Amino acid sequence: EAGVTQSPTHLIKTRGQQATLRCSPISGHTSVYWYQQALGLGLQFLLWYDEGEERNRGNFPPRFSGRQFPNYSSELNVNALELEDSALYLCASSLVGADGDNEKLFFGSGTQLSVL
Amino acid sequence: GQNIDQPTEMTATEGAIVQINCTYQTSGFNGLFWYQQHAGEAPTFLSYNVLDGLEEKGRFSSFLSRSKGYSYLLLKELQMKDSASYLCAVDQAGTALIFGKGTTLSVSS
Repeated sequence: EAGVTQSPTHLIKTRGQQATLRCSPISGHTSVYWYQQALGLGLQFLLWYDEGEERNRGNFPPRFSGRQFPNYSSELNVNALELEDSALYLCASSLVGADGDNEKLFFGSGTQLSVL
Repeated sequence: GQNIDQPTEMTATEGAIVQINCTYQTSGFNGLFWYQQHAGEAPTFLSYNVLDGLEEKGRFSSFLSRSKGYSYLLLKELQMKDSASYLCAVDQAGTALIFGKGTTLSVSS
């Protein structure tokens, strides 16, 4: 069974441009999460989608946005790129328990975004 | 808000035992996850504690005290391949997992 897949592996952009990152969850998983992992800051929660809806958002500006498609794959868009957006962007998928509790996350290998 | 603390770095030698602590202050606590992340790779699940006490899984064990807001990951019989970052993450009601900054463990021979 395929795991969580992310594309592209690496992305180089210049300041002010837009970046689009893609994620395909494990088959059967309806929840997709996006995290930013910058050096020294750990995993910072960005966005959570479940069944096509945005369920929760981390403390990031509105230029970070995304969506989830009917096949549960997801896209993260970062507009007006800034130098400090350079980081590894990790996508994870999970099932959401019947009581709404988080099930364990399965992570993709990430997209390394470099903003020059 | 949430506050999750773990040591930044730890070192140990092969065959030793190491304990990585994680303290947290949060509301709506459901449980606590531990993940392992090797350099350049995706984080992988290690353990999930909901109830107080110790859960053992081979060389790795995880402990939780809900009343103290405290967890630890215990690694026994350390091997070189255990060199990695160890991330604790709080599971809260209605939100995604919130991760600590991670502890980088270096195992030397």
